[in-house]
Amino acid sequence: DQQVKQNSPSLSVQEGRISILNCDYTNSMFDYFLWYKKYPAEGPTFLISISSIKDKNEDGRFTVFLNKSAKHLSLHIVPSQPGDSAVYFCAAMAAGGTSYGKLTFGQGTILTVHP
Amino acid sequence: DVKVTQSSRYLVKRTGEKVFLECVQDMDHENMFWYRQDPGLGLRLIYFSYDVKMKEKGDIPEGYSVSREKKERFSLILESASTNQTSMYLCASSFPPPATSGRAGVSYNEQFFGPGTRLTVL
Repeated sequence: DQQVKQNSPSLSVQEGRISILNCDYTNSMFDYFLWYKKYPAEGPTFLISISSIKDKNEDGRFTVFLNKSAKHLSLHIVPSQPGDSAVYFCAAMAAGGTSYGKLTFGQGTILTVHP
Repeated sequence: DVKVTQSSRYLVKRTGEKVFLECVQDMDHENMFWYRQDPGLGLRLIYFSYDVKMKEKGDIPEGYSVSREKKERFSLILESASTNQTSMYLCASSFPPPATSGRAGVSYNEQFFGPGTRLTVL
């Protein structure tokens, strides 16, 4: 039962354009969402997060949007750069109670930014 | 600067061998996690630990066990390696959520990952 889904295995964009990566979730207990970026042969690194009390969070070129009613979030990268080429993972957490901060990850989307 | 280290970057073992993967973190994090990453499946949680000597099963614990004797160290054990355990293994650590730790203002949400161990079982 995949509670966090990234339905696009890959995405290819031109340098300077916008990259939009999508993520859907099914568990209504999730109240905190994160995006991680992973280069080959390295561990994932944290990119940006959003709490369920917000619908948007920005950090430089990266913006995450959350639509709670649709159980959908997206990551926008503007402008895209070749160095952004990596695998992007969406992750979700139910922050309260005995979750211990456990994350549930999506399958990942391979982003390729062409010069 | 947070650092999570894993004992090996690449490991080749034979079917039936006992395999130990070690992870060490230097941030005094209570939580530690073991994941495996496989193409098309993302990161799947094997086991996690929220305190010394405490452990909880994740989503795919079968064939694995863990040990946490010290706060900074979390070991993953493959009792009898099989070819379907060929994978990238990732260790992570974090603070617990404030509701658990009572620690307001701490960036608990982020898990910090090690570089991974690529395990091949022949």
